[in-house]
Amino acid sequence: QSALTQPASVSGSPGQSITISCTGTSSDVGSYNLVSWYQQHPGKAPKFMIYEGTKRPSGVSNRFSGSKSGNTASLTISGLQAEDEGDYYCCSYAGTGHVVFGGGTKLTVL
Amino acid sequence: EVQLLESGGGLVQPGGSLRLSCTASGFTFSSYAMSWVRQAPGKGLEWVSAISNSGGSSTYYADSVKGRFTISRDNSKNTLYLQMNSLRAEDTAVYYCAKAATAWYYYGMDVWGQGTTVTVSS
Repeated sequence: QSALTQPASVSGSPGQSITISCTGTSSDVGSYNLVSWYQQHPGKAPKFMIYEGTKRPSGVSNRFSGSKSGNTASLTISGLQAEDEGDYYCCSYAGTGHVVFGGGTKLTVL
Repeated sequence: EVQLLESGGGLVQPGGSLRLSCTASGFTFSSYAMSWVRQAPGKGLEWVSAISNSGGSSTYYADSVKGRFTISRDNSKNTLYLQMNSLRAEDTAVYYCAKAATAWYYYGMDVWGQGTTVTVSS
């Protein structure tokens, strides 16, 4: 299973919206509604942000939303805030018990 | 409070072995699948292994560790393990244990430990 493809970096100004893409294949993202997203700040453990493609765990801001079209999942952050800066990883079920992560995207809030 | 605490990391020579532990608290450990995820220095997250809930009868491994690593759980001790054998330099990473958000780990991992560092070097 190959890693999912994410842009290396994205940036936006406070208050703006950004979208991070996560491209897989028909064997992972395209076959299952099982994409999750994680936020990671430097030196910290990942934080669970989105699951089953579009669902938000309790406690996660509604500024974060997920979607999927074909083999590509997306994470959108609206109303960007300084605290949103960090690394974001997508993750998908890839069948036969395997899970695959994306390479990660560094979000910079300008 | 739901918590996971990893231990057992350290410096090991290539070809050596190490056993990681992850002690859970604040939830019914046996009800959830569990995973190990690692992060090499300056790199992204890599799923390593997972084990089903209850008796842990089902185990899964990334191709990169299959045949070398073994995941297991002791529900009486609320503890998850990762036995790592035939270690290679490329296994150097911070190893996180993670709790499944539901019964199945691939729906998402909602609680993560702080990580334990494994360094494979001579």
